[in-house]
Amino acid sequence: KQEVTQIPAALSVPEGENLVLNCSFTDSAIYNLQWFRQDPGKGLTSLLLIQSSQREQTSGRLNASLDKSSGRSTLYIAASQPGDSATYLCAVKGGSQGNLIFGKGTKLSVKP
Amino acid sequence: EAGVTQSPTHLIKTRGQQATLRCSPISGHTSVYWYQQALGLGLQFLLWYDEGEERNRGNFPPRFSGRQFPNYSSELNVNALELEDSALYLCASCDRHRGSGYTFGSGTRLTVV
Repeated sequence: KQEVTQIPAALSVPEGENLVLNCSFTDSAIYNLQWFRQDPGKGLTSLLLIQSSQREQTSGRLNASLDKSSGRSTLYIAASQPGDSATYLCAVKGGSQGNLIFGKGTKLSVKP
Repeated sequence: EAGVTQSPTHLIKTRGQQATLRCSPISGHTSVYWYQQALGLGLQFLLWYDEGEERNRGNFPPRFSGRQFPNYSSELNVNALELEDSALYLCASCDRHRGSGYTFGSGTRLTVV
């Protein structure tokens, strides 16, 4: 059974810092991996989608990497801003027929 | 392009009643997924519908059910509501055949009193 773990559970940084959020999964046979952002009480906003054949994806100040063999993904946020404060969720899809399995998220707080 | 839309935004029901939540996927997406996010818990997979059929369900009792209509919109029904059903219910759609990622709606906040 696939399990997704995110470390740390919470993170507080000063504005301007570069930071890394970690995600690990137990079954390396994934179809794709997706990073989301969730603001309090809101839905999920997709940040980056990495297909199983890809190693990384970039969007603006965000870069996500995928290492299937070790069951790990990282989300790198450059030059953090207070507006980046949110919960970041990692999710893996086990196959084209599967559904997304989520980690519990990392709650990020960026202090001005 | 319109995103995934969910209605209602908020719903307050009494224990024992039934709740119906609705979801319209992105145009062209045939797959709809339902998730429950209870306070302090992670996202739990509820149901997956694709092309009108239920394809998979999570570890939830049968009083959680739903359907998908010919236009691929979906509704989630929760019967015999319990206090623990209070949660944010999120719907997502994807184009399964093109391997697209999931796009989520803004959710329905269900409160059972």
